[in-house]
Amino acid sequence: DAGVIQSPRHEVTEMGQEVTLRCKPISGHNSLFWYRQTMMRGLELLIYFNNNVPIDDSGMPEDRFSAKMPNASFSTLKIQPSEPRDSAVYFCASRGGTSGTYEQYFGPGTRLTVT
Amino acid sequence: AQSVSQHNHHVILSEAASLELGCNYSYGGTVNLFWYVQYPGQHLQLLLKYFSGDPLVKGIKGFEAEFIKSKFSFNLRKPSVQWSDTAEYFCAVNAGSNYQLIWGAGTKLIIKP
Repeated sequence: DAGVIQSPRHEVTEMGQEVTLRCKPISGHNSLFWYRQTMMRGLELLIYFNNNVPIDDSGMPEDRFSAKMPNASFSTLKIQPSEPRDSAVYFCASRGGTSGTYEQYFGPGTRLTVT
Repeated sequence: AQSVSQHNHHVILSEAASLELGCNYSYGGTVNLFWYVQYPGQHLQLLLKYFSGDPLVKGIKGFEAEFIKSKFSFNLRKPSVQWSDTAEYFCAVNAGSNYQLIWGAGTKLIIKP
């Protein structure tokens, strides 16, 4: 299995631009999580999906952030417009519905820099 | 509210020293417990997990953790650390039927060669 796949791995953009981060979960997993990691705030859960449905988006910072999961094998996290304070590493993780042990498998992350 | 507390934010040890990282959680029911490791510049990887059974859990790379229910603790241990163990270590808890993991703030471990 290829594991969780994220793209791009690095993104540098200017303030005000739209940024789209992509994630492909492990095949067969039915839960998907988006996290943000910064030095100041550590690891933060932004949103999670179960069976493609958003269950909890209380961690999404503000309306500039949106996430979708149109099917079981693809999710996007969009920031529009981006701001310098959005600079962080964004991780996607997935979890298998039948495993019963709730561990999450993380992708390599997208390092976002907003100038 | 459920929470996870990691007592030390930074730990510095010499090679061959013994390691114990503390983790306490607040939840009175059934829990699943995890330790993840994040090497510099990499993503989080599962180190070990407790689901049920023997409270002493062995993971990869010589790590182990002990679940002590009465103390709400799940401390991570390694008898002799190596320079390659330099990383950040996260404790996480799944409580009840919630899909989420509740994460500790992480402990940065630096091993001096």
